Amino acid sequence: DTGVSQDPRHKITKRGQNVTFRCDPISEHNRLYWYRQTLGQGPEFLTYFQNEAQLEKSRLLSDRFSAERPKGSFSTLEIQRTEQGDSAMYLCASSLQGGATREKLFFGSGTQLSVL
Amino acid sequence: RKEVEQDPGPFNVPEGATVAFNCTYSNSASQSFFWYRQDCRKEPKLLMSVYSSGNEDGRFTAQLNRASQYISLLIRDSKLSDSATYLCVVSGGSYIPTFGRGTSLIVHP
Repeated sequence: DTGVSQDPRHKITKRGQNVTFRCDPISEHNRLYWYRQTLGQGPEFLTYFQNEAQLEKSRLLSDRFSAERPKGSFSTLEIQRTEQGDSAMYLCASSLQGGATREKLFFGSGTQLSVL
Repeated sequence: RKEVEQDPGPFNVPEGATVAFNCTYSNSASQSFFWYRQDCRKEPKLLMSVYSSGNEDGRFTAQLNRASQYISLLIRDSKLSDSATYLCVVSGGSYIPTFGRGTSLIVHP
């Protein structure tokens, strides 16, 4: 399977703990996005990378959130000191800038986070 | 005002019906437009791009009205399998795809 993969699929944690999610994009894609989705809402943009550079972060992304994409390949999203309001589906997507598929996002299956 | 707005529905239609969804966007500089489909507890998947002249893909037709800043999706001859949430996506100069909250479609026998 050469699609976008995310790990883990589900994560249950206690409030105050740190969690880290991983995303492996489609190999030839140079852009990688993180979104967050809660029930009944569309995905909300968090941050995106072009290659290894983090080009934009949403105001939604508090100081407790950090994302990296070392070497422009896989990415990690870390949430420190989790709060119950962080409970959501965290979606990763990748795209190829400049090609015919420009800006068409291909999503992973997401990581469902539950903070107790 | 939200950047991308959709009526959440649900739209409840019988098999074989024609149904249309609209989506309005606030940024007049927006350049790229898409419809995604999302099944319950699954990730969004690209349904179709929306081109200025309008485009069709089988039973699905998408149109763009730049003057009024909205896009539409028309589904003809609805199938049970069309039941899903349809997400409108708009990208502007910043290339950050912005999603609407989605419109829920339920097709019943």
